[in-house]
Amino acid sequence: AQKVTQAQTEISVVEKEDVTLDCVYETRDTTYYLFWYKQPPSGELVFLIRRNSFDEQNEISGRYSWNFQKSTSSFNFTITASQVVDSAVYFCALSELYAGGTSYGKLTFGQGTILTVHP
Amino acid sequence: AAGVIQSPRHLIKEKRETATLKCYPIPRHDTVYWYQQGPGQDPQFLISFYEKMQSDKGSIPDRFSAQQFSDYHSELNMSSLELGDSALYFCASSLEGHEQYFGPGTRLTVT
Repeated sequence: AQKVTQAQTEISVVEKEDVTLDCVYETRDTTYYLFWYKQPPSGELVFLIRRNSFDEQNEISGRYSWNFQKSTSSFNFTITASQVVDSAVYFCALSELYAGGTSYGKLTFGQGTILTVHP
Repeated sequence: AAGVIQSPRHLIKEKRETATLKCYPIPRHDTVYWYQQGPGQDPQFLISFYEKMQSDKGSIPDRFSAQQFSDYHSELNMSSLELGDSALYFCASSLEGHEQYFGPGTRLTVT
């Protein structure tokens, strides 16, 4: 069975600090997708990134960057120069291929990390 | 761009009542997923439909049922509501099982 673990329940930083959110996953599949979602206080789930298991290149998008290491089953998320608007719950999630299929199925989420950025 | 639409956004019901949540996927998306997120919890997968057929099932109580209609919208029917059913219910849609786009959620409160 697939499992996602986010070791940090809560993180508190001061604006402009860099912060890294950890994510470790377990899966028996060799082909899967990894995701990060942001859930602000308003409650919606905002998609941030999707990473295919065959693509281990790190990615940077503005102040956001992701480090995928298959060898350690980790998909960590770093926010550089954090801002108050980054305060939210962040979820890491995993999706596996349907058995024998070509499409991806349900998302299994980690427990979430509550990030609070203080001015 | 069109997004996933969920209605109602908020719903208050009493114990033992019935609730129906609706989800309208992004146009041309063929897969719908339902998730339940309890207070302080991560979203938990309930059920999914691909081309109007149930494609996967998670920890959905027997009191709940769902279906996807010919126009691809989906409804989650919840009967004999319990206090523990109070949660945020998300619908997501995808094209051919790829990236899931989430709706804004329906907040159900059972009193």
